[in-house]
Amino acid sequence: DTGVSQDPRHKITKRGQNVTFRCDPISEHNRLYWYRQTLGQGPEFLTYFQNEAQLEKSRLLSDRFSAERPKGSFSTLEIQRTEQGDSAMYLCASSSHSGHLYEQYFGPGTRLTVT
Amino acid sequence: AQSVTQPDIHITVSEGASLELRCNYSYGATPYLFWYVQSPGQGLQLLLKYFSGDTLVQGIKGFEAEFKRSQSSFNLRKPSVHWSDAAEYFCAVGTISNFGNEKLTFGTGTRLTIIP
Repeated sequence: DTGVSQDPRHKITKRGQNVTFRCDPISEHNRLYWYRQTLGQGPEFLTYFQNEAQLEKSRLLSDRFSAERPKGSFSTLEIQRTEQGDSAMYLCASSSHSGHLYEQYFGPGTRLTVT
Repeated sequence: AQSVTQPDIHITVSEGASLELRCNYSYGATPYLFWYVQSPGQGLQLLLKYFSGDTLVQGIKGFEAEFKRSQSSFNLRKPSVHWSDAAEYFCAVGTISNFGNEKLTFGTGTRLTIIP
């Protein structure tokens, strides 16, 4: 069990550029979550996958955001036309349907800075 | 809708002293409650969770929490803190959405500083 990994750990981009983040969940976990954490706040739910199906999206996830999980393995989160308000830590978590309820394991996060 | 309040933004404690971090929740049904810890630049690690049964739950690293339904609280405690406990602590309430999403709603966190 190597844990949840995220890449990159840090990303600095100019406003208007597109960015993509990757999350690799724990291998046997079929559920995957994306959260956003801004400075001084707790993580806020963005979206949820069960296997390859994206089952729920928060209203925080504007049209500029898109997430995928092809083949139910790794996931990507893309932000198009970034804005300064997108600067945040993006956290990925995974859990197992057969595991303990709510036992979500978090990755180290990707810190995005939009200049 | 569910919500979590952590009234203390920042707490400073001497090493070896006891600790209590406060958490109040708002949720219509029986809550599932959690405490997570986040070290600088790191993801969140689950300290402990409450689903049902005994209202005093034990977690990792010597932490415990007590669920008090009458006060809608789930305070985190540790009898003697270590310098390595310095971190951000988040309380969360769990709900299940119509899509089977075990959604976590977090509080704003309490930053813990340990002084020698």
